[in-house]
Amino acid sequence: GDSVTQMEGPVTLSEEAFLTINCTYTATGYPSLFWYVQYPGEGLQLLLKATKADDKGSNKGFEATYRKETTSFHLEKGSVQVSDSAVYFCALRGANSKLTFGKGITLSVRP
Amino acid sequence: NAGVTQTPKFRILKIGQSMTLQCTQDMNHNYMYWYRQDPGMGLKLIYYSVGAGITDKGEVPNGYNVSRSTTEDFPLRLELAAPSQTSVYFCASTDGGRPPDTQYFGPGTRLTVL
Repeated sequence: GDSVTQMEGPVTLSEEAFLTINCTYTATGYPSLFWYVQYPGEGLQLLLKATKADDKGSNKGFEATYRKETTSFHLEKGSVQVSDSAVYFCALRGANSKLTFGKGITLSVRP
Repeated sequence: NAGVTQTPKFRILKIGQSMTLQCTQDMNHNYMYWYRQDPGMGLKLIYYSVGAGITDKGEVPNGYNVSRSTTEDFPLRLELAAPSQTSVYFCASTDGGRPPDTQYFGPGTRLTVL
């Protein structure tokens, strides 16, 4: 079945540091890939998405590129801010149209 | 525009009690979903619905029931609460595009079963 693997957390960075959060997936066919973010006390909200190979999703300074050859969708940001502190989930939508989530990773950014 | 709303925000139940978690969306979305979020485990799909009158099981349906009498509402019922159902529950909805696109999540209900 479909699965998403995220790097182990938590991650703690200083403000303006570079961020990479790894995500790899297993799926049949051609899934769509997503990053969702969950701020403290809130529900999940879509951060960015990519629907086909080599697509790059971007939003709020975050980027992720759909790499079919490595089955990856790593999230990056060049300079994190304290306000980026949240839990980040990688997810895929497979052939059955349901979302499969990774376990999530907590990011804390220090001033 | 309220989006997806859930009530209550918090609830403590005793073992064996029952309750209904409410979910309403005002975006006229056909698809609605219930997830549970356990610490360090991501989100697991409990039930989903592709339209009024149509529901189906997700990955972890045992101990839960749902109904979908209207497009807007998708309540989740726990009949005999058990400690294993202690979790945060999220409702989500999406439009009926092919395939269904971005899911919009409610703020969640934190349930504790003692």
